[in-house]
Amino acid sequence: DGGITQSPKYLFRKEGQNVTLSCEQNLNHDAMYWYRQDPGQGLRLIYYSQIVNDFQKGDIAEGYSVSREKKESFPLTVTSAQKNPTAFYLCASSMVGDLNQPQHFGDGTRLSIL
Amino acid sequence: KQEVTQIPAALSVPEGENLVLNCSFTDSAIYNLQWFRQDPGKGLTSLLLIQSSQREQTSGRLNASLDKSSGRSTLYIAASQPGDSATYLCAVRPHQGAQKLVFGQGTRLTINP
Repeated sequence: DGGITQSPKYLFRKEGQNVTLSCEQNLNHDAMYWYRQDPGQGLRLIYYSQIVNDFQKGDIAEGYSVSREKKESFPLTVTSAQKNPTAFYLCASSMVGDLNQPQHFGDGTRLSIL
Repeated sequence: KQEVTQIPAALSVPEGENLVLNCSFTDSAIYNLQWFRQDPGKGLTSLLLIQSSQREQTSGRLNASLDKSSGRSTLYIAASQPGDSATYLCAVRPHQGAQKLVFGQGTRLTINP
């Protein structure tokens, strides 16, 4: 079945540590996105990528980094510079070219601070 | 700057009732609007997408309407069931070419048996 796989489901970060969240899709989508969701709030865009080896900052990119070396993969690194990383992180993908196609989402990674 | 608001934040109704969820946005220059469902601890599932030229979309017991001039969309759920319990989010795509979606904060819906 086609879809988006995020791992791990739960992740704990120690002070000063960088952690990487994985996102893999087999939908053959060109565009991929990372969102952050805090309790009782909507999703906020961290980074997005429309093509391999290219990505753009979203609204809250500070303290995060990404790479897009393969079409299928878009990992997100939460760096030690992100002082409030506790949140639910969602990865999404979509086709490029037809903006009336919906975004597809993974099941998320919940990041907490130890 | 586009802002999306969903009121109320939570709603509880008895099973079998018809209900309406509301979504409002500040800038009427949108490309489309989507309604999503989110179950606890899960990702989002797209329910309906309304293009800017459309007034409504229907899927089964769900009907979404769009009034761009007033900056409003509604999601109508007919004959509600306990399985409809979830958080419902709306999101607008601000304008053509925009890759980002702007999300509301969601309405947490509980259907009581």
